[in-house]
Amino acid sequence: AQSVTQLDSHVSVSEGTPVLLRCNYSSSYSPSLFWYVQHPNKGLQLLLKYTSAATLVKGINGFEAEFKKSETSFHLTKPSAHMSDAAEYFCVVSVPSGTYKYIFGTGTRLKVLA
Amino acid sequence: IAGITQAPTSQILAAGRRMTLRCTQDMRHNAMYWYRQDLGLGLRLIHYSNTAGTTGKGEVPDGYSVSRANTDDFPLTLASAVPSQTSVYFCASSDVDSGANVLTFGAGSRLTVL
Repeated sequence: AQSVTQLDSHVSVSEGTPVLLRCNYSSSYSPSLFWYVQHPNKGLQLLLKYTSAATLVKGINGFEAEFKKSETSFHLTKPSAHMSDAAEYFCVVSVPSGTYKYIFGTGTRLKVLA
Repeated sequence: IAGITQAPTSQILAAGRRMTLRCTQDMRHNAMYWYRQDLGLGLRLIHYSNTAGTTGKGEVPDGYSVSRANTDDFPLTLASAVPSQTSVYFCASSDVDSGANVLTFGAGSRLTVL
């Protein structure tokens, strides 16, 4: 069975400090992994995706994530938080199942303090 | 601008009423999806469609129906709304054939059932 666990429901960081949002997955297949961001009252926007190429994936707005198969993790990082990064972040795993099946984590709300 | 259009943006509905949420995409994606988003539960799949003319049940299909008469449109119908269907609904699409399998989301429809 496939699953996604986001280890923190809320994360608070000060502006200019690093961001770490943690995600662990479970999959019987070789998964595709994604991070999406949702700003208040908006839809979800793709930040980055891993699809079995380079294990370190760079996304938009300075975010990156590293796929670690041995740890079944796909943590999202950013060296320096900006106020505009305050949002909810979703880790998603996709596995082929007839069509692609997408499994969402429950989300991590990032708060950035001035 | 290419993407997904959802309507209405927001709606308040009396219990027992019928409601259709509209979703239109102009990217010629073959797969489309309806999710509901509830606090603490992330996104849950209601129904999906791999291609025009076919639909399938997701994780929480009860009380909802969909149709896919053509590639672009994927309406979601609540035949007799109940308060537990109060939620934010997101339509999404993906181009499965290209192998990209990235989900593109609409801006959402906020539904309140009283």
